[in-house]
Amino acid sequence: NAGVTQTPKFRILKIGQSMTLQCTQDMNHNYMYWYRQDPGMGLKLIYYSVGAGITDKGEVPNGYNVSRSTTEDFPLRLELAAPSQTSVYFCASSYSGEGYTFGSGTRLTVV
Amino acid sequence: GENVEQHPSTLSVQEGDSAVIKCTYSDSASNYFPWYKQELGKRPQLIIDIRSNVGEKKDQRIAVTLNKTAKHFSLHITETQPEDSAVYFCAATQSEQFYFGTGTSLTVIP
Repeated sequence: NAGVTQTPKFRILKIGQSMTLQCTQDMNHNYMYWYRQDPGMGLKLIYYSVGAGITDKGEVPNGYNVSRSTTEDFPLRLELAAPSQTSVYFCASSYSGEGYTFGSGTRLTVV
Repeated sequence: GENVEQHPSTLSVQEGDSAVIKCTYSDSASNYFPWYKQELGKRPQLIIDIRSNVGEKKDQRIAVTLNKTAKHFSLHITETQPEDSAVYFCAATQSEQFYFGTGTSLTVIP
């Protein structure tokens, strides 16, 4: 049982480049989330999903897109990277909307 | 949406002393309040949670209290140890979305 797996762990992007952050969970959780964590700040919700085929915006969705084609996978897409997107990104999942399990995070730098 | 405020932002205590971290929330409909511990460079991990039908919950050296009327909840760590040093986040929710506080950096001085 691997839990929540995120890839890559680190990435440097140039302004305007695109990339996809991968997130997979093997706990059969319905709920999945993407958060960003800026230095000295709390976690801000980007997007979430309550099940396959359903996604919703969180507090800070601009500049990001998601899809949920399967229960296991919830990739986060950055289309035109900007310096403001430099952050640590965490994927999380839960069975009932409580007690998140977080992935190990992706540290993204946009230069 | 919900607004969660967390205080203090930093806290230093001597080993063996107690530490208290406080959070307030704005939405009276919030009914679930988890606390997460994040060690440096690691992922946040759930350490304790409380639901709105309970006033207090304890797990060994960690306890959480909830005052629904005043809309605040607190994390209490007793007999602190150096391994308790981390950033602690509170959160509040009444739906699928969690709203996190900005975190408290706790340092336990040996």
